[in-house]
Amino acid sequence: DGGITQSPKYLFRKEGQNVTLSCEQNLNHDAMYWYRQDPGQGLRLIYYSQIVNDFQKGDIAEGYSVSREKKESFPLTVTSAQKNPTAFYLCASSIRGVSEQFFGPGTRLTVL
Amino acid sequence: QKEVEQNSGPLSVPEGAIASLNCTYSDRGSQSFFWYRQYSGKSPELIMSIYSNGDKEDGRFTAQLNKASQYVSLLIRDSQPSDSATYLCAVKGAAGNKLTFGGGTRVLVKP
Repeated sequence: DGGITQSPKYLFRKEGQNVTLSCEQNLNHDAMYWYRQDPGQGLRLIYYSQIVNDFQKGDIAEGYSVSREKKESFPLTVTSAQKNPTAFYLCASSIRGVSEQFFGPGTRLTVL
Repeated sequence: QKEVEQNSGPLSVPEGAIASLNCTYSDRGSQSFFWYRQYSGKSPELIMSIYSNGDKEDGRFTAQLNKASQYVSLLIRDSQPSDSATYLCAVKGAAGNKLTFGGGTRVLVKP
């Protein structure tokens, strides 16, 4: 089955800890994206990558970091510098040059 | 800051009726427009894409685009309880491949 997987589904973090969220896709898509969604809100773009070894900041990149070493993988690290990390994190991918994005199931992060 | 605006709702419609959702955007150069459906606790699912002025129909869904007035709408005909969800409008701007999302409209279909 082709698709996007995210792990873990739920993640709990203590204040001051860094955590890494996984996103893998086997759709052969070039572009990958990370969004954050807060309760009752739309999606806000954190980082995106159009090709391997290249990525750009989105609208709310502060306190986050990413890497893109492989086409199929785009992990997101939520650092201790992120002031309010509790949110629903969504990974998406698309064919390069095509606007339609498809989403993984998401990771719900809670800071204790 | 490019914006996409939606009425947060909830939009309550009786089963079998037409649900009408609206979305306005500020970037006049926007080129592509999308509607996503998001069930509570789940990730968004793409249901409609529209790129040119006019109507596009897919099953019970019709997307309508008016670039001159900078709005895009979604009609859901013969609404079913399973259509109860939040509908997100997303817009691709003039440059790059990024999407800007509206806050979503919550739809409740009552049997």
